[in-house]
Amino acid sequence: DAKTTQPNSMESNEEEPVHLPCNHSTISGTDYIHWYRQLPSQGPEYVIHGLTSNVNNRMASLAIAEDRKSSTLILHRATLRDAAVYYCILRRQGAQKLVFGQGTRLTINP
Amino acid sequence: EAGVAQSPRYKIIEKRQSVAFWCNPISGHATLYWYQQILGQGPKLLIQFQNNGVVDDSQLPKDRFSAERLKGVDSTLKIQPAKLEDSAVYLCASSFPLGQVLAKNIQYFGAGTRLSVL
Repeated sequence: DAKTTQPNSMESNEEEPVHLPCNHSTISGTDYIHWYRQLPSQGPEYVIHGLTSNVNNRMASLAIAEDRKSSTLILHRATLRDAAVYYCILRRQGAQKLVFGQGTRLTINP
Repeated sequence: EAGVAQSPRYKIIEKRQSVAFWCNPISGHATLYWYQQILGQGPKLLIQFQNNGVVDDSQLPKDRFSAERLKGVDSTLKIQPAKLEDSAVYLCASSFPLGQVLAKNIQYFGAGTRLSVL
């Protein structure tokens, strides 16, 4: 399984944008980039995923570098409820398996 | 839409005892997963079912862990006998099978069962 690298922790302020980076230099052409987040005392929840193009949904945006070796999850206007551990995961096309790393613990200051 | 249901939410046992966790996936989800999450780490896949068949159990410690999904819906995960290092949160997730239009490649997780082995 290709590996991802994320900062252990990040901090931001409420109502400001947050950019969460992820490096995946060994990504293959058939690997999808998935982001999940885990709120305190809950199971992970899906945030967004993409393959090559940037993606937007109601929760966040995913910006994928042209060479696909890195990506950034963007929360446009953070709220206190966005405080969570964010996981960047590579999923091989045709497989359902998710391999979680340690993720980035995001703290939001009021 | 009802989410993935797990019970119990918490369980405390002594080492060498046995314990069982139950999971009811989202209706229509043929694929079911059990993960183990040790404090401070990301979840680790233990076993994946497609309907009532095992797809991947490569990381399941089969000498003490077992899981079943007899009717292709609910699932139970059992540990017998438990060790101190089994203290963790056990998460169940479900999804549509890959290839179905509705799959969207998304797994839905329950809130988990927190196991403490003393």
